[in-house]
Amino acid sequence: QITLKESGPTLVKPTQTLTLTCTFSGFSLSTTAVGVGWIRQPPGKALEWLALIYWDDDKRYSPSLKSRLTITKDTSKNQVVLTMTNMDPVDTGTYYCAQSSGTAMGNWGQGTLVTVSS
Amino acid sequence: EIVLTQSPATLSLSPGERATLSCRASQSVSIYLAWYQQKPGQAPRLLIYDASNRATGIPARFSGSGSGTDFTLTISSLEPEDFAVYYCQQRTNWPFTFGPGTKVDIK
Repeated sequence: QITLKESGPTLVKPTQTLTLTCTFSGFSLSTTAVGVGWIRQPPGKALEWLALIYWDDDKRYSPSLKSRLTITKDTSKNQVVLTMTNMDPVDTGTYYCAQSSGTAMGNWGQGTLVTVSS
Repeated sequence: EIVLTQSPATLSLSPGERATLSCRASQSVSIYLAWYQQKPGQAPRLLIYDASNRATGIPARFSGSGSGTDFTLTISSLEPEDFAVYYCQQRTNWPFTFGPGTKVDIK
């Protein structure tokens, strides 16, 4: 059974850096074609890709957010970490991590709501 | 960036009716299109991948078709649990964009 769970702060102040951790089980991020990504969803709005990291450490970032994002993996801990700098109230939303085995994102975490407010 | 457009924005139907949702891409995505279902307060759930392949555990009433730029998700007979928002997503070019969603609500 594959599970993913996001963890991190629920409230951050403007200009601060957000660090989110995705802890997963049931698969290995060293297996060919496997990837773990971060997707966010502002309240009442659509889904937006943030970043994706593959088994071979290939990393992809949203072009509009690339300068603010860093994604890393720790295969031994079964974790993927996303950092987003210079947080703004428009970054408020639910942040999901999700897993792909080479096709679509077949497994998702429950999501974590992050509010950006002073 | 590939832009996905979904129509209609809202589809009001009754249980037992057939639902037809459309997703159009700004350029060809071949067959690399997925459909997700999202209910309030829940994470998205993968329904269809690579245009027409049902994900594990997805009922046969859900089917996908299309290639290139035009895709369709069909729910043959709506069950009460199918009323939700549906998103399409392409994985041909990064960023793997999502469409804006179609809400299927109860008429």
